[in-house]
Formats: sequence, structure tokens, C-alpha cells
Amino acid sequence: ILNVEQSPQSLHVQEGDSTNFTCSFPSSNFYALHWYRWETAKSPEALFVMTLNGDEKKKGRISATLNTKEGYSYLYIKGSQPEDSATYLCAPQYGGSQGNLIFGKGTKLSVKP
Amino acid sequence: EPEVTQTPSHQVTQMGQEVILRCVPISNHLYFYWYRQILGQKVEFLVSFYNNEISEKSEIFDDQFSVERPDGSNFTLKIRSTKLEDSAMYFCASRRVGGYYGYTFGSGTRLTVV
Repeated sequence: ILNVEQSPQSLHVQEGDSTNFTCSFPSSNFYALHWYRWETAKSPEALFVMTLNGDEKKKGRISATLNTKEGYSYLYIKGSQPEDSATYLCAPQYGGSQGNLIFGKGTKLSVKP
Repeated sequence: EPEVTQTPSHQVTQMGQEVILRCVPISNHLYFYWYRQILGQKVEFLVSFYNNEISEKSEIFDDQFSVERPDGSNFTLKIRSTKLEDSAMYFCASRRVGGYYGYTFGSGTRLTVV
């Protein structure tokens, strides 16, 4: 059974703080690493798909890095805003382009104004 | 922006009854998936579907579960005889073929078995 760990489980920050979360996963037979943002009562929204070349990804104030050899990824949010409040899910994909995602439990971020 | 649509948003059913959860994937996507999340637990993979057949299924996806693409647009998940432990949020997702594409998820169907 493939185990994907995310930490911390939850995080409370003030508006303007920068923050980061960790995802660790088994790196053998790994194809890609997905990050999703999931707001309550909405559908998970794709943030990044990170490939084996390990390039950093960036989308506005959010960025992610990937270490493919040791099997971990960091998600960074610079200058958190209340609208960043959500659960951030990490999901490595195994078994090639048709492989399915194995999800971590997520990091729940709350940003106070 | 194209969306994956799921119906109903919430379904309550009695134990032992059959339920069908419906999904309309994005029209140019060819990979389809069902995932579920039992309250407080991780999102779990159930089944993937491509080219009108199951590509992969998890241990959860036993003989009580089936999937179908009856008319080229809908993608359904059927649970033949529901159990209490089937209560969960069920998500449908679709994806483009090839490359490194993210999945587009629907907003889920909350199934409650009583």
C-alpha cells in the first residue's frame, strides 16, 4: 500500500504570512506529482502537475518544488490571503500517464484577516 | 471554463438499496475516474475508465460496484446493494489523454446510507 504523508495536518496563519507544507511519498515507479486546492463545498482544483524533471512550478503567490529522488514536495504560499483558506491535497501519480492518483490527507490552511 | 457535473449532490438511501451516481465529464476528456472520501479519511481511488472499459480498479471496487458510459456523455457509478460503510463523498474526475494533465473533479455526491 502506497502511503502519502502531508504535514502539517492544519495550519492557522495571519494574513500576509508566508507558509509552506510538505508532502512525502514513495518515489519508485513515480510518474508525476499533483497538487490540488480544495475549498469547502467545491470541487478540488488542480494547482500543479509536477514532472520527473523536478522543475519548480509557480502560479501567482503559490509555488511548489519537487525532489523526485527522495520523494517529497513542498508547496509555498507567499503573503497568504483569506481566500487562500482551503485544504491543499498532494497526490503522486504512479504507473505512467494512465496511472491513478494516490492522495494524502491534506493540509487545511486557515488564513485570518 | 468546462466543468465536470455530478448529480445528485446529496443522496440518502436505505441499506441494501441500489444507487446510481451520475457524472458528465468534460467533452474532450477521455480518461474518467471515480474517487471517494469517507468523512475524516483520505480521498481513495475506486476505478479508472478509458476506451469504454475499466483500466484499473482498487480493492474497494468489488462486485457491488460497476461503472458505465451509457450514451457517450454520462459516466455512472452503480452500487448494487449499499452498505452503511459506503457512506462517503463520491467524486468523478476526467482528464485529457497523454502528457501531464491535471484531473478535473466534479463537486461530488454525498451518499448517506441509513
